[in-house]
Amino acid sequence: DGGITQSPKYLFRKEGQNVTLSCEQNLNHDAMYWYRQDPGQGLRLIYYSQIVNDFQKGDIAEGYSVSREKKESFPLTVTSAQKNPTAFYLCASSRQVSSYNSPLHFGNGTRLTVT
Amino acid sequence: GESVGLHLPTLSVQEGDNSIINCAYSNSASDYFIWYKQESGKGPQFIIDIRSNMDKRQGQRVTVLLNKTVKHLSLQIAATQPGDSAVYFCAEKTTGGGNKLTFGTGTQLKVEL
Repeated sequence: DGGITQSPKYLFRKEGQNVTLSCEQNLNHDAMYWYRQDPGQGLRLIYYSQIVNDFQKGDIAEGYSVSREKKESFPLTVTSAQKNPTAFYLCASSRQVSSYNSPLHFGNGTRLTVT
Repeated sequence: GESVGLHLPTLSVQEGDNSIINCAYSNSASDYFIWYKQESGKGPQFIIDIRSNMDKRQGQRVTVLLNKTVKHLSLQIAATQPGDSAVYFCAEKTTGGGNKLTFGTGTQLKVEL
């Protein structure tokens, strides 16, 4: 089945450590995204990528970094500079950016807890 | 600033009744709207979308209505089932904003047996 795989489902880290969240898709989608979800809030865009080796900051990129070396993969690194990293992180993909009838498909998320 | 919001944070309905989930948006330049369903511990799942040149679109048991005059979007679920219990998000895309979506805070739908 085609889809988006995020791993791990739960992740625990100590404060001050960098951590990388994995996102892989086999939908052959060009665009990929990272969102953060906090209780009682909507999804907020961290980074997105339209093509390989290219990515743009979203609304809350500070303290995060990404790479897009392969079409299928878009890992997110939560750095120690992120002041409030505990959250539910969602990866998504779509056929194209700037296109109607190209809704986002989401993975099942990674819940990161930093203590 | 521009925002997407929901009128009710929690909606409880009886099984078999129709559900109506509302969403207000404030950006008149928004031209594409999507409804997502999110079950506990999972990622959002696409339900239905609508472009701004339409005022109604129907899917299987779901209907989305768009009222551009009052900037209001609603999701109607017919014959609500226990499996419909979830958080529902509306999202909007603005012309020129790429495919970046702005999400509302979500409405929790609870189906009572």
